Amino acid sequence: GAVVSQHPSWVICKSGTSVKIECRSLDFQATTMFWYRQFPKQSLMLMATSNEGSKATYEQGVEKDKFLINHASLTLSTLTVTSAHPEDSSFYICSASPVLAGDNEQFFGPGTRLTVL
Amino acid sequence: GENVEQHPSTLSVQEGDSAVIKCTYSDSASNYFPWYKQELGKRPQLIIDIRSNVGEKKDQRIAVTLNKTAKHFSLHITETQPEDSAVYFCAASNTGNQFYFGTGTSLTVIP
Repeated sequence: GAVVSQHPSWVICKSGTSVKIECRSLDFQATTMFWYRQFPKQSLMLMATSNEGSKATYEQGVEKDKFLINHASLTLSTLTVTSAHPEDSSFYICSASPVLAGDNEQFFGPGTRLTVL
Repeated sequence: GENVEQHPSTLSVQEGDSAVIKCTYSDSASNYFPWYKQELGKRPQLIIDIRSNVGEKKDQRIAVTLNKTAKHFSLHITETQPEDSAVYFCAASNTGNQFYFGTGTSLTVIP
């Protein structure tokens, strides 16, 4: 149980286009999902906290207008990278916190590798 | 916000030896400290965690210690094996469930 999927797993796009990444909790409901970005050989950096039915909370330094987050249901959160540029190329990972889980429990998705040409 | 520091950034040990990775955190409200193992291009895998009301936890070859007063926690791997080679991340989490990760330690176990 507690499986989180992401789609797509790998995407290549042209500079200036927008890319949508989906994060789904497959066998549980998640009131909260988190989005992280990981550059090569670096740590996971929390970008935002996504709460079902409300606006996402962004970490300091993360542009909310560039990284649009929607959490419309208890099993799906989406991250849209708008007007992507080469510096947005990174590994994006989501995690989900189950509704009935103990405190702090999170399950990670497999990640999406974004390459912007 | 929370700031998590992790040392060392790289660590090489002989197979069978022990490995120790240390982390410090800044936010006294943090109450949950997981450790993750990540292989290249894969998702982080939880290997052990500890909560703020516990000082030590052990699971077979892996143990974690926590010093709340000093705000530091450590991962101990004994009898290391080549398959332990990976990048290890510590994290600190508060009641809001946000995870703040350390900078990572690349562990190499030499056969």
